Amino acid sequence: GAVVSQHPSWVICKSGTSVKIECRSLDFQATTMFWYRQFPKQSLMLMATSNEGSKATYEQGVEKDKFLINHASLTLSTLTVTSAHPEDSSFYICSATGQGASQPQHFGDGTRLSIL
Amino acid sequence: GESVGLHLPTLSVQEGDNSIINCAYSNSASDYFIWYKQESGKGPQFIIDIRSNMDKRQGQRVTVLLNKTVKHLSLQIAATQPGDSAVYFCAENMSDNYGQNFVFGPGTRLSVLP
Repeated sequence: GAVVSQHPSWVICKSGTSVKIECRSLDFQATTMFWYRQFPKQSLMLMATSNEGSKATYEQGVEKDKFLINHASLTLSTLTVTSAHPEDSSFYICSATGQGASQPQHFGDGTRLSIL
Repeated sequence: GESVGLHLPTLSVQEGDNSIINCAYSNSASDYFIWYKQESGKGPQFIIDIRSNMDKRQGQRVTVLLNKTVKHLSLQIAATQPGDSAVYFCAENMSDNYGQNFVFGPGTRLSVLP
């Protein structure tokens, strides 16, 4: 149980392209979803927290107009990197938690984004 | 601000030996902790969790120990196998922090030697 699917797993695109990443909870309702960015050999850096039906809460330094997050249902959240540039190249990971306190985050397998 | 940190950034162990990965936390209000395993190119995988009303919890080949006095968390892996090679993260949270984020440590890379 508690499977989170992230798609695509790898994308390569030209500079200026907008890229959408999907995060789905397959067998549970995700009250909250999180989006992380991870650089090589580093820990997870939280970008934003999204609750179903409400606006995402972005961490300091993360441009909300650059990284658009939509959490339209209890099983789907999307991250759109708008007008991506080479510095946006990274490993993006989503996670989801169910309802209630003391719930672990369940992670997707990440999306490797490479901007040429 | 308060954070979770790790004593050892890298750990090499012989196959078959036991591994111990440590984590220090500084937020005394945290009462829920998780260990995650991340293999190369994949997302973190839940290993085991523990609440602050417990000192020890065992899973399959893994044991988590919590020492609230010194704010220390450890993950013990018995009979370490090559498949255990990965980066391990500890994470802390407050149980009344509904849906809020966990704070992750910097990670420890475990390398299993043949």
